[in-house]
Amino acid sequence: EVRLVESGGVVVEPGGSLRLSCGASGFTFNDYTMHWVRQVPGKGLEWVALISWDGGSIYYADSMKGRFIISRDNSRDSVYLQMNSVKNEDTAVYFCVRDPGYGSGTSPYFDLWGQGTLVSVSS
Amino acid sequence: YELTQPPSVSVSPGQTATITCSGDRLQNYYVCWYQQKSGHSPVLVIYQDNKRPSGIPERFSGSNSGNTATLTISGTQAMDEADYHCQAWDSNTMTFGGGTKLTVL
Repeated sequence: EVRLVESGGVVVEPGGSLRLSCGASGFTFNDYTMHWVRQVPGKGLEWVALISWDGGSIYYADSMKGRFIISRDNSRDSVYLQMNSVKNEDTAVYFCVRDPGYGSGTSPYFDLWGQGTLVSVSS
Repeated sequence: YELTQPPSVSVSPGQTATITCSGDRLQNYYVCWYQQKSGHSPVLVIYQDNKRPSGIPERFSGSNSGNTATLTISGTQAMDEADYHCQAWDSNTMTFGGGTKLTVL
């Protein structure tokens, strides 16, 4: 079965750190660019970061630059999001998504989403 | 970059629903659309302005011209009730619209 499964969502205090993981299965992971997207419950979607198939291209949303780090391990079919210096406004469901577009020389689009993992920032 | 969507759209069953997404010179960018039903992850319904992924019904179509991209659902069904999000990529940054809640009543 083709799927993405996120994990690592927890309750964390402001200023703290956590690492989200996303495991892929059912497809050739290193053929794809991967992203993280987040959503405050009841609100819209917000893009977080992109990592190309080989990690050679990495981009972040401005509000995450310098605090979040996206990485991947193709030997483990996994992508990660290290979240540092978290703020209350980082509270959201974080989705791992697959992108067949960017690596093909066109604009990114997301054809596979995980179920999401909830990060709550609270003291 | 900003994308603007109407917060809500209502449509009667069997009628055509139109959801817009506006942005400066949006026609210069590829636009995608995602459907998100309550409690579920988003699903891609349109990519590269007007392409449908496999498994998406033909009643879903998209267009992009000028400053506005449009998602059209012909013969809307009750199962189409959901939030719809548009998305575009510019200058190595992804932008989503605020989302539109489609009500079928």
